[in-house]
Amino acid sequence: EAGVAQSPRYKIIEKRQSVAFWCNPISGHATLYWYQQILGQGPKLLIQFQNNGVVDDSQLPKDRFSAERLKGVDSTLKIQPAKLEDSAVYLCASSPRTRETQYFGPGTRLLVL
Amino acid sequence: AQSVSQHNHHVILSEAASLELGCNYSYGGTVNLFWYVQYPGQHLQLLLKYFSGDPLVKGIKGFEAEFIKSKFSFNLRKPSVQWSDTAEYFCAVMPDQTGANNLFFGTGTRLTVIP
Repeated sequence: EAGVAQSPRYKIIEKRQSVAFWCNPISGHATLYWYQQILGQGPKLLIQFQNNGVVDDSQLPKDRFSAERLKGVDSTLKIQPAKLEDSAVYLCASSPRTRETQYFGPGTRLLVL
Repeated sequence: AQSVSQHNHHVILSEAASLELGCNYSYGGTVNLFWYVQYPGQHLQLLLKYFSGDPLVKGIKGFEAEFIKSKFSFNLRKPSVQWSDTAEYFCAVMPDQTGANNLFFGTGTRLTVIP
């Protein structure tokens, strides 16, 4: 069974630029999550989708971050404009349904200069 | 607000030593509990989980964890570590409530096993 796929794996941008990350969850998984992991910290949930609807985006900085999951499968997370403090690993995870085990992708490491 | 504490930031052990990593959480209701592991250069992988039933949970690679509700703890143990256990270990808590199922992670414990 293929795992959660993410791209790109690494991205370096300058502050105020925009960036987008892509995630393809495990086939058949209805629930998709985006986490931010800052160096030295555990992952923190940014947004959760159930199919193509948002379940929880309370921790998403909506002035600069946006995410979508248009067809209930792939998802993109965008930052515009990026700040230095956005430097982190962005993890995508999926689960068959809510309140079940989450499976993580390899992450995208973002460095904002 | 929910929080998860992992008090050991970096643990160094020799091979064959016993391991116990602490995890405490603050949430008054029912919780689901997880330990994830991240080997060098790899992604987060599930080590074991507790949803209900026997509070002593066995996971992969000889790991186990015990849920002690009265202490709000879910400590990870392994009787004899191997060099290949070198990794970062994250405890995570999911409050058991309808709707969103946020995973709240601890800050992680880095384990280094010396051959």
